[in-house]
Amino acid sequence: AQSVTQLGSHVSVSEGALVLLRCNYSSSVPPYLFWYVQYPNQGLQLLLKYTTGATLVKGINGFEAEFKKSETSFHLTKPSAHMSDAAEYFCAVSGSGGGADGLTFGKGTHLIIQP
Amino acid sequence: DVKVTQSSRYLVKRTGEKVFLECVQDMDHENMFWYRQDPGLGLRLIYFSYDVKMKEKGDIPEGYSVSREKKERFSLILESASTNQTSMYLCASSFFTIIGSNTEAFFGQGTRLTVV
Repeated sequence: AQSVTQLGSHVSVSEGALVLLRCNYSSSVPPYLFWYVQYPNQGLQLLLKYTTGATLVKGINGFEAEFKKSETSFHLTKPSAHMSDAAEYFCAVSGSGGGADGLTFGKGTHLIIQP
Repeated sequence: DVKVTQSSRYLVKRTGEKVFLECVQDMDHENMFWYRQDPGLGLRLIYFSYDVKMKEKGDIPEGYSVSREKKERFSLILESASTNQTSMYLCASSFFTIIGSNTEAFFGQGTRLTVV
């Protein structure tokens, strides 16, 4: 069984400050890890993903995440927050071959950007 | 551009009605999924399908059924809608891949269903 824990249902940062959204996972098989973003009244859009290889993954809109196997973590960061980053962010894990049983999502973190 | 299209953005239905939510993808994906999204609970998998006419229960299948008669279309059915099924419903699709490949899912815009 797989699970994802996102620390903090709401995170507030000032515009220009560092963004750090935390994600820890559990998986009985080598995981594939994803971060998705959801803007109000929209579906989910992929930010970045880790499958194999380099553990530091770069995504869209200046976001990146680092896979740390020893810590079972996949935290999302962005050096400088922009007002347009305000959204809901979901961490997800998929560990089975074929992906046919879908992704397991965390409960989400609402990112608030203060002007 | 890849696309997953859900037939309705907003729906209001009465308790006891039979409700159909439709989803179509144009990427020739094998896998299709229905998730339910509720505040504080994240996304929960209702049903998924890895092939035409194949379906598997997810984490919360009670009160729902699905149909996949064609590869590109996956329907979610609420046999008798209840107020606790008021929620945002998200459809997604992905390729079926061998172990070691990525399993990125593409999402539709969502259907916000209100049952009154």
